[in-house]
Amino acid sequence: KAGVTQTPRYLIKTRGQQVTLSCSPISGHRSVSWYQQTPGQGLQFLFEYFSETQRNKGNFPGRFSGRQFSNSRSEMNVSTLELGDSALYLCASSPVEATDTQYFGPGTRLTVL
Amino acid sequence: SQQGEEDPQALSIQEGENATMNCSYKTSINNLQWYRQNSGRGLVHLILIRSNEREKHSGRLRVTLDTSKKSSSLLITASRAADTASYFCATELTGGGNKLTFGTGTQLKVEL
Repeated sequence: KAGVTQTPRYLIKTRGQQVTLSCSPISGHRSVSWYQQTPGQGLQFLFEYFSETQRNKGNFPGRFSGRQFSNSRSEMNVSTLELGDSALYLCASSPVEATDTQYFGPGTRLTVL
Repeated sequence: SQQGEEDPQALSIQEGENATMNCSYKTSINNLQWYRQNSGRGLVHLILIRSNEREKHSGRLRVTLDTSKKSSSLLITASRAADTASYFCATELTGGGNKLTFGTGTQLKVEL
């Protein structure tokens, strides 16, 4: 099976802009989670979608949002970008429920200037 | 905040030696997973150990879990230069769904 894919791989934006990142999970996986990785804060959970519904949410401002489509593909959106949003954004998919292994994509490197 | 703290933060060994990394966490968990990350790339899943398991093996990897001490260790035997990477433990909390809480990571360098 193909792994988790994320597009784009690299992105440069300026403050105040918005950005949309995309994640295609492994075929058959229904849960998609998003994580932000920065040198200062490490890996932090953003949110999880399962069957098009947000099931879990991390401690991020409302500028961070996401959605999941009926084919399990997911997008996350960040509005009004700030310099501190520069990070590696990772998407992970897992088959169905909790206690399953999560498989990560290669990430999208977002730089905000 | 980070659920897990990893120790050591950095580890440098010679090829062929064993590497041991430790992870401590704070609350009740469903499972604990170990991941490897090379140079800011995606995370590669190494092994998952459930809360009712005490030890698990996968190739050169051995993971232990002590829920009474809220700690886990990852042992890489006969290390290779290709094992050079950052290693993270991640816990799935009881009732936490698929949310993983990551530790701070251990940077392993294996020298020839």
